[in-house]
Amino acid sequence: DSGVTQTPKHLITATGQRVTLRCSPRSGDLSVYWYQQSLDQGLQFLIQYYNGEERAKGNILERFSAQQFPDLHSELNLSSLELGDSALYFCASSLAGSREKLFFGSGTQLSVL
Amino acid sequence: SQQGEEDPQALSIQEGENATMNCSYKTSINNLQWYRQNSGRGLVHLILIRSNEREKHSGRLRVTLDTSKKSSSLLITASRAADTASYFCASGGGADGLTFGKGTHLIIQP
Repeated sequence: DSGVTQTPKHLITATGQRVTLRCSPRSGDLSVYWYQQSLDQGLQFLIQYYNGEERAKGNILERFSAQQFPDLHSELNLSSLELGDSALYFCASSLAGSREKLFFGSGTQLSVL
Repeated sequence: SQQGEEDPQALSIQEGENATMNCSYKTSINNLQWYRQNSGRGLVHLILIRSNEREKHSGRLRVTLDTSKKSSSLLITASRAADTASYFCASGGGADGLTFGKGTHLIIQP
């Protein structure tokens, strides 16, 4: 158990809908990261937050947004969903920055039908 | 965009043999990390090697780093069935975030 909790584990929704994925980092970790994993794109870095502020941005679509709350949990919002958004979404956390080892949650499997 | 690329994409060996996988990266690094992922599960950190290190060991794992060639290798000795997984290198960090390659899928045949 990595100590990173992601909910829900599975999500099935329709095109055009909006969903929210939730992540609770390991106790004491200040950084949260979001990744998208699909067969064709591999593991894509989306965004990183550190202590409530955006720290780094990757290949995150404009339809996607994220935030980190004062209690350090994070949410990833995906809107106007398309079939191609179907993927495994991982949250990870680290004590401080991305030059340390990351602890990954077990992921949210999103299926857009 | 992927910072690192693993090679080979897939590797199948017999239990007890050694497995070697390679990673090439594009820009200068502070450190390079290796992770393992069992099918459909979260990634697990294996080892981190800093840019001023050339080799590092952890149990049956040996990682090398050649910054002049922008490459790293992960060696798993005396492989076991439980080593069957995908292995990823990760590099970068900073404003571009920590990025992963597409991984090497390792299959250990009993």
